Amino acid sequence: KNEVEQSPQNLTAQEGEFITINCSYSVGISALHWLQQHPGGGIVSLFMLSSGKKKHGRLIATINIQEKHSSLHITASHPRDSAVYICAVTGNYGGATNKLIFGTGTLLAVQP
Amino acid sequence: DVKVTQSSRYLVKRTGEKVFLECVQDMDHENMFWYRQDPGLGLRLIYFSYDVKMKEKGDIPEGYSVSREKKERFSLILESASTNQTSMYLCASSLEWDKATFGSGTRLTVV
Repeated sequence: KNEVEQSPQNLTAQEGEFITINCSYSVGISALHWLQQHPGGGIVSLFMLSSGKKKHGRLIATINIQEKHSSLHITASHPRDSAVYICAVTGNYGGATNKLIFGTGTLLAVQP
Repeated sequence: DVKVTQSSRYLVKRTGEKVFLECVQDMDHENMFWYRQDPGLGLRLIYFSYDVKMKEKGDIPEGYSVSREKKERFSLILESASTNQTSMYLCASSLEWDKATFGSGTRLTVV
């Protein structure tokens, strides 16, 4: 079982739809990251959060520490939002600090 | 802004070559990481380092080694490149608990 699990793995949406991507984790963490990777591109950090909610433009990220769950929401989705969205957590395990563990990503395709 | 810079965006190497992937960060971060990213497998940790000259194996260290002679630079070495090492390689660094920064990745093709 992966320590960080995302759902769905693949998501197709129509332009303008509200999108939710979920992330559940099974380890103790200090922070959770949402990352974006466009096809053929590098990885960009969207959010880093350890509690509550953060908003940046049309993107909203929430985290529930008790339930070990985070969601990434995209409002008024646009084809340029098409990318892989990756959830990652940082914590202290495996004998080292700040080990990053990644989910396998959610491939989002927003159709015009 | 914190920067994590990977020296090459795209790289093509021949089987058997020794390959160096370089990563440099400019924020005095203690921890640095090398991952590879493959379709369906996500990002998997190869090696990490939590201080100069310190290194620890990650989940898939076989066929790789690393070097951290200076705090800002963490090198990933493929001793003898093989086609199954064709992948996207991602470097990251972090200070303490909550400041992880990622490089833009190196897409390596071994032919």
